[in-house]
Amino acid sequence: AQKVTQAQTEISVVEKEDVTLDCVYETRDTTYYLFWYKQPPSGELVFLIRRNSFDEQNEISGRYSWNFQKSTSSFNFTITASQVVDSAVYFCALSEALVFGNEKLTFGTGTRLTIIP
Amino acid sequence: DGGITQSPKYLFRKEGQNVTLSCEQNLNHDAMYWYRQDPGQGLRLIYYSQIVNDFQKGDIAEGYSVSREKKESFPLTVTSAQKNPTAFYLCASSMGRGGAETQYFGPGTRLLVL
Repeated sequence: AQKVTQAQTEISVVEKEDVTLDCVYETRDTTYYLFWYKQPPSGELVFLIRRNSFDEQNEISGRYSWNFQKSTSSFNFTITASQVVDSAVYFCALSEALVFGNEKLTFGTGTRLTIIP
Repeated sequence: DGGITQSPKYLFRKEGQNVTLSCEQNLNHDAMYWYRQDPGQGLRLIYYSQIVNDFQKGDIAEGYSVSREKKESFPLTVTSAQKNPTAFYLCASSMGRGGAETQYFGPGTRLLVL
């Protein structure tokens, strides 16, 4: 069975600091996808990134970067020079089924990030 | 604008009452999903549908029912059999089938029991 662990329940940092959100996953499949979503106070989940298991290159998008390491089953998310608008709950998720009829997205319990002005 | 809409934003249910949550998408996506979110927890899958007139149970389907009569609509009914319905409900859709597809979410419906 697949599992996603986000051990950091809540994190608070002062604005402009860098912050890393941890995500550790478990799966028996060799082919799988990892996702990060942001949930602002409004409640809607906003898609941030999707990464497949064959692509271990780190990715950078503006102030956001992601570090995927299969050796440690981790897919960590770093925000550089944090801003108050980054305050939200962030979810890591795993999808391991590529077969029609059995796809499933498993979510971690989320990390609540608060950026202090 | 393409997207997913959910209504109502807030819904109140009385004991023994069935209520229906609406989810509509104009993204031309084949697959649609319903999740439940409880405070401090991740999302749990209730039902999903990969094609019109077909749907599958997720991890916590008991006390819920769905229909998929149109590609763009996937309503969720919370029945009186669901003893603890207070939660935040999120609808999602994805382009195709399979775990590779990204799911996009609607704004959610918050259900409260009177």
